[in-house]
Amino acid sequence: QKEVEQDPGPLSVPEGAIVSLNCTYSNSAFQYFMWYRQYSRKGPELLMYTYSSGNKEDGRFTAQVDKSSKYISLFIRDSQPSDSATYLCAMSAGSGGYQKVTFGIGTKLQVIP
Amino acid sequence: GAVVSQHPSWVICKSGTSVKIECRSLDFQATTMFWYRQFPKQSLMLMATSNEGSKATYEQGVEKDKFLINHASLTLSTLTVTSAHPEDSSFYICSARSRDGYTFGSGTRLTVV
Repeated sequence: QKEVEQDPGPLSVPEGAIVSLNCTYSNSAFQYFMWYRQYSRKGPELLMYTYSSGNKEDGRFTAQVDKSSKYISLFIRDSQPSDSATYLCAMSAGSGGYQKVTFGIGTKLQVIP
Repeated sequence: GAVVSQHPSWVICKSGTSVKIECRSLDFQATTMFWYRQFPKQSLMLMATSNEGSKATYEQGVEKDKFLINHASLTLSTLTVTSAHPEDSSFYICSARSRDGYTFGSGTRLTVV
């Protein structure tokens, strides 16, 4: 079993839809959870960074963490064609600069105008 | 935000030659730099963790004599792919812990012909 499971998609939605992206994980030591957006042939760009369980909102993006279920989500409201990209979940056991980060495979999202 | 500058962005080399990839943290000090490899439709896979002034730590299955890592200063880490072969063709990305979380370079697309 992989430490982090993420559906690779692709996921196609119409412009303006609410998008739900999810990951599950098996390592209970994970405390820090991140979502990255990656455009084709580019490095990942950090979208959201959360610690432990709970919700965090930033503009059209909301990140949720449910540690009891080992399940994290990223919601995108009022999706735009510019949101079309691959979204990677990532997590680590600590926040120190030396901490190893484990990534999901990424979900490819396409927002159709 | 924090920036990691990675060069070159793409390189084509002949089989048997060596290629050096550089990552520089532009406005912060990176004690630790992570090197990832990403094959098409696959997740980011950690290859090695480099620490300034000491030897890098390699993940299982990664040949340390083939992927030479040097982290000579707090702002520069390099990855040299020695005696490259076509199976080494991939997308290589570096990352460092910054005040903004884990900041990634823009990646290097390596094609070995």
